Amino acid sequence: KAGVTQTPRYLIKTRGQQVTLSCSPISGHRSVSWYQQTPGQGLQFLFEYFSETQRNKGNFPGRFSGRQFSNSRSEMNVSTLELGDSALYLCASSFGTEETQYFGPGTRLLVL
Amino acid sequence: AQTVTQSQPEMSVQEAETVTLSCTYDTSESDYYLFWYKQPPSRQMILVIRQEAYKQQNATENRFSVNFQKAAKSFSLKISDSQLGDAAMYFCAYRSNAGNNRKLIWGLGTSLAVNP
Repeated sequence: KAGVTQTPRYLIKTRGQQVTLSCSPISGHRSVSWYQQTPGQGLQFLFEYFSETQRNKGNFPGRFSGRQFSNSRSEMNVSTLELGDSALYLCASSFGTEETQYFGPGTRLLVL
Repeated sequence: AQTVTQSQPEMSVQEAETVTLSCTYDTSESDYYLFWYKQPPSRQMILVIRQEAYKQQNATENRFSVNFQKAAKSFSLKISDSQLGDAAMYFCAYRSNAGNNRKLIWGLGTSLAVNP
């Protein structure tokens, strides 16, 4: 089976812009979670989707949003980008919400 | 709230030797999972090993094994016969098995260097 794929792999944006990141889970997986990874804060949970419904949300401002489509693919959107949003954004999928999460390669976002 | 602590930011080991990475966690729950993930430089996060809290037997995966001490809330990872490819950042993570909150809570990681 193909693994979790994330596009794009790298992004450079400027402050105030918005960005959309995409995640395609492993075939058959219905749960997708998003994490932000920074050197200072480590890995922090953003949100989790299961069958197109957001089940959990982390402590991030409303500028961070996401959605999941009927084919389980997920997107996350960050509006009004700030310098502090520069990070590696990781997507993970699992068969169900109780199963082990498998990670994609991440999207590295740089905000200038 | 649950927390995960990895007290060793960096460690090193000689090739073929054994190394143990430490992880402690804090929770009031009794039903949860613990994980070790590996993140090689510029490469993606890979699951190393998983432990269910209700299982007393320590999980093993080839050269990787854990020492799970539930009462002490300790979950260390032992890597035997270390190989150059084991060099990576290792993260300990906790996940509740209660309710709908199944997010992973992470330690800050331990950077492992393997010396030839």
